Order: sequence, then C-alpha cells, then structure tokens
Amino acid sequence: QVQLQESGPGLVKPSGTLSLTCGVAGGSVSTIHWWNWVRQPPGKGLEWIGEIYHSGTTNYSPSLKSRVTMSVDESKNQFSLKLTSVTAADTAVYYCARVAYNYPTYYFDSWGQGTLVTVSS
Amino acid sequence: SSELTQGPAVSVALGQTVTITCQGDSLRTYYTSWYQQKPGQAPLLVFYGKNNRPSGIPDRFSGSSSGNRASLTIAGAQAEDEADYHCHSRDSSGNHFVFGPGTRVTVL
Repeated sequence: QVQLQESGPGLVKPSGTLSLTCGVAGGSVSTIHWWNWVRQPPGKGLEWIGEIYHSGTTNYSPSLKSRVTMSVDESKNQFSLKLTSVTAADTAVYYCARVAYNYPTYYFDSWGQGTLVTVSS
Repeated sequence: SSELTQGPAVSVALGQTVTITCQGDSLRTYYTSWYQQKPGQAPLLVFYGKNNRPSGIPDRFSGSSSGNRASLTIAGAQAEDEADYHCHSRDSSGNHFVFGPGTRVTVL
C-alpha cells in the first residue's frame, strides 16, 4: 500500500505563501492515479484544494484557483502545493491523498497523516 | 449545484442500525465515496462506488444510491464506529471534487 507523508512549515505569515510537499513511498507518482491536496480547518469539514497528474495536468478548486499552484517531481517521487496570499482562513490541517478511479467512481484510497499549517504573524 | 449536503449529526444505540445520507445533483452521474474520520486522524475510506468496501472494513458498513441521493448504513453499530462521516464525489462539471459537510455519528 502506498504511503504519503506531508512536509513543510507549520507556521506561515499572513500574505505569505504556504508551501507543502507530499512524499510518496511504496509506489510511484508516475502512475494512472491523480494526486490531491485536501484541507480541513479546525472543527470544520474537508475541503478539496486540487489535483495533479504526473504529466503535470492540474485541476483546482474554483474557490482557490487564483492562489493555488501544484507541481510534481517524478525524480523525487513527490508532489507539491503552493498557496499564495494566505490569511487566517487558510489555517487548517492539510492532507495529501491519492485518487483511484473507475468511471463513474472516484475515491481517495490513500491519505497522508496531515500537517497543521497555522497562518499567524 | 456542485454541493453535497449531509445531516449534521445522528445517534444510534449500540448494536442498532444507522443510515446517513448525502444528497447532490452530481450524484445522478457519479458514485459517492464515504470516509470515516476520528478525532486527530486522517479520513479512512469505508465504502465507495456501487458496492465496494475496502479490505479491512467490517461488512457492517454498506452503501446504496438512487437518483441524487447516496446512503451509508452501519448495521449493528459498535462503539468504535463513533466518528465523523464525510461523503465525496466529482462535481457536476466532472473536473473537481466536492465533499459533504460531514455527519457526526454518536454511538450510545
């Protein structure tokens, strides 16, 4: 079973850029799967941020699209998230996750443990 | 609409059956997946598609769907089933994902 691990700063200043990386172990990022970021503000529900394929094709949440960039590094077997112009509303646990699919079914079959990112000065 | 709706909370007596629902226009096209989340833990896939339960998930978890509504049933709920349950699907555009707000299940 593939294992995912998020890494990056746990504290980001307002108006700064949040940068996270997800390492993939026990499998390759260069597969048919899509690689996703999901976040969860404290005490709230899950929010999808976006997804990337190993070719670099991306889909982003319409509500975050103007601030999100995702990338994939096949040589390091990892993918990354950048979120610009952050505010306190971006404080959340950020998860990386793998999507498997067989149309019309899509499901997150592997998740990282999550990393809390706090936006504060 | 690209939203999914869920009831906020439900309680069930130990050993009894509980069903939680998820509703949204995209469910007429795409199947739902369901995730169990306990405090401080990452979500765990418990059911997906027409009739799929991941390895290691007890068979007391089952799912169904009809029209714009999907359901997750826990038959014979156990104390360890107490958690938040989130539904998930593609949105109507087919290019994005959406999650329901989550349903908290309390086992009495």
